[in-house]
Amino acid sequence: QSVLTQPPSVSAAPGQKVTISCSGSSSNIGNNYISWYQQLPGTAPRLLIYDTNKRPSGISDRFSGSKSGTSATLDITGLQTGDEADYYCGIWHDTLSAVFGGGTKLTVL
Amino acid sequence: QVQLVQSGAEVKKPGASVKVSCEASGYTFTGYYMTWLRQAPGQGIEWMGWIDPNTGATKYAQKFQGRVTMTSDTSINTAYMELIRLTSDDTAVYYCARDWYSGFHDVFDYWGQGTLVTVFS
Repeated sequence: QSVLTQPPSVSAAPGQKVTISCSGSSSNIGNNYISWYQQLPGTAPRLLIYDTNKRPSGISDRFSGSKSGTSATLDITGLQTGDEADYYCGIWHDTLSAVFGGGTKLTVL
Repeated sequence: QVQLVQSGAEVKKPGASVKVSCEASGYTFTGYYMTWLRQAPGQGIEWMGWIDPNTGATKYAQKFQGRVTMTSDTSINTAYMELIRLTSDDTAVYYCARDWYSGFHDVFDYWGQGTLVTVFS
């Protein structure tokens, strides 16, 4: 049971927007920068968002991250079938360790 | 380009140990920590710990203290993760990932392809 709570699944139609939430507390999300990872079926995770709202080179601007209080969100606009994946939020805790959410499975209907 | 190439799948019996390797290329190996993570079948990502290849310093998740050892060989740009006293709960895909400090927090910007470790009697 992770301290970061994500919905197990979300779904939306192609072209639509979907929001994936990551909820925590003041001691984790409230006090840290957030990262998001995308894991396509059968592949290793890849970094999608870092510093809460920055994208690494090569990541589409359809992906965006934000945070408010003790909750973070990943928005994906213009959904494509290729976006079907598991998405994980993560923080780097001040105990020098990483913590991840339980993951959210995105289905593009 | 940065690449992390891991060793192949392993099948082990309960009580045995496993050592997974991760060969890095395309960047200065000693310039970044290497992190190890795992993912049990159908489950989420679990952080195991990191090693600083430059100094050999390590940090392990409390859950794995006493059972995991992370090492590195800078002459061949390779990191290793050894886990002992395996049980069926250790069946998982094990990943190495480069630990990059963004200026604000550590993230994992490049990942190995994963190594499936199956513990089976």
